[in-house]
Amino acid sequence: GAVVSQHPSRVICKSGTSVKIECRSLDFQATTMFWYRQFPKQSLMLMATSNEGSKATYEQGVEKDKFLINHASLTLSTLTVTSAHPEDSSFYICSAYAPETQYFGPGTRLLVL
Amino acid sequence: GENVEQHPSTLSVQEGDSAVIKCTYSDSASNYFPWYKQELGKRPQLIIDIRSNVGEKKDQRIAVTLNKTAKHFSLHITETQPEDSAVYFCAANDGSNYQLIWGAGTKLIIKP
Repeated sequence: GAVVSQHPSRVICKSGTSVKIECRSLDFQATTMFWYRQFPKQSLMLMATSNEGSKATYEQGVEKDKFLINHASLTLSTLTVTSAHPEDSSFYICSAYAPETQYFGPGTRLLVL
Repeated sequence: GENVEQHPSTLSVQEGDSAVIKCTYSDSASNYFPWYKQELGKRPQLIIDIRSNVGEKKDQRIAVTLNKTAKHFSLHITETQPEDSAVYFCAANDGSNYQLIWGAGTKLIIKP
C-alpha cells in the first residue's frame, strides 16, 4: 500500500512559538493531502484540504492565519501552527489522497506548555 | 452535504464471536465506503473498502456489506481475536470532492 510519513512524531514547545509539521507521500504523488486534528477518544476532525500549487481550503471554524498550510510539491505538505497555545495541544494527522482512498501519516502529538 | 452516523460507539464481544458495526450515510451521490482501524496512538489503517457497484466484499475474517437503497453499510468481523481490539471508523466519500466524511468511531473490545 501507499506510504505516508509525518515528522516530527512528537513535539513539545513553549506557548507563543511556531511548530512546523511535515507530511510526505513516499511512493506516490499526491496532488491532494488532508490535515486532521484528533482529540482523545474522538473521531478525525478535518482541518483543511491541501492542494499542490494552490491555496488550501479550510474547514469552517479553522483559523487559516493560525494553521498555515503549504503544499509546494506533489509529495510534501506542511502545516505550521503559529503562535501555539496550550489549547492547540492535540494529535495532528495528515493523509494523502490516492484514488480513491486516503492513506494516513503516523501523526504528530503536539504539547504546548 | 454528506453525513455519516456510526453505531454502536462501544462494542464488547467474547473472543471467537462475531462483531458487527453499522453506518448510515445521507448523500446518495456517495459511491465509496472505506473502513479504517485505529489502534491507540497510531494512524488509521485502511482495512477494507467497498464501492457502490457491489453489495458485499470479503477479505478473510473481515467483510463489508452495502445497501444502497437503505443507505447503510456494515463491517463484519468473524472469529474475533484480541488483536482486533481497536477503534474502527467508517467513512463515505463526499460526492463533490475528494473528502471522506467520517463516522464517530466504534471502540471494539475483545474479551478473552
